[in-house]
Amino acid sequence: EVQLVESGGNLVLPGGSLRLSCAASGFTFSSYEMTWVRQAPGKGLEWVSYISSSGKTIYYADSVKGRFTVSRDNAKTSLYLQMNSLRAEDTAVYYCASGGRGSWYHWGQGTLVIVSS
Amino acid sequence: DIQMTQSPSSLSASVGDRVTITCQASQDISNYLNWYQQKPGKAPNLLIYDASNLETGVPSRFSGSGSATDFTFTISSLQPEDIATYYCQQYDNLPPYTFGQGTKLEIK
Repeated sequence: EVQLVESGGNLVLPGGSLRLSCAASGFTFSSYEMTWVRQAPGKGLEWVSYISSSGKTIYYADSVKGRFTVSRDNAKTSLYLQMNSLRAEDTAVYYCASGGRGSWYHWGQGTLVIVSS
Repeated sequence: DIQMTQSPSSLSASVGDRVTITCQASQDISNYLNWYQQKPGKAPNLLIYDASNLETGVPSRFSGSGSATDFTFTISSLQPEDIATYYCQQYDNLPPYTFGQGTKLEIK
C-alpha cells in the first residue's frame, strides 16, 4: 500500500524556519516525481514545489522562490521542504504527493504550519 | 503563468441530479488537465487525468471532457458520498501546476 506521511509542521514565529518531511513507503520512491501543495485555512489548493525523480530538476511557485528549498533522499525514501523567512501567508496545511507528468496520484494526510507571533 | 478559471464556486444539487463543473484555461493546454476531489479534512484525490481518463477505481458516474482552453467535469447521478470540493489542475509544459479555485458541492 502506498503511504506518504508528512511531519514537521508546527507553530513558528514570522521570519522563522521549519523543515517538513514526507516519508514514503509502498512504492519505488526513486522512480516517481514529487510535489508539495499547500492549502491555507478555508482556501483552495496552491502548488508549492516540484522535484524530479532524480532530484536534478526542481521548480518553485513564485510565492516561495528564494525562501523554500525542496530536496529528496531516495535512499531514505523521503522528501523534504526547508522553509525559511516564513510569513503569515505561509500558514497552511502542506501536502506531499507523488506522481508524474503533472498528475499527483498519491497524497499524504498533510501537516499544519502556522506562522504567527 | 497559466490561469485556471473554475465555475461555479459552489453548487447545490439533489441526489440523482446531473452535475457539471467547468474550467477554463487562460491559454491552450491541450488535454493536460486533471480533476481532483477533496472531502472535508482529507487530502485531494485524483479522479480524472488527461482531461477525460478515469483514474483506476473511480466510479463511472464521474467523467471529464474538453481540450485546449475549455473543460467540463460531470457527475451523471449525484450520490451523497460525492459531497466534496472539486478542483481542476493544469499541467501543460513546465510548472507552475495551477489549480482552479475549487467548486464546493452540497446536497440540496
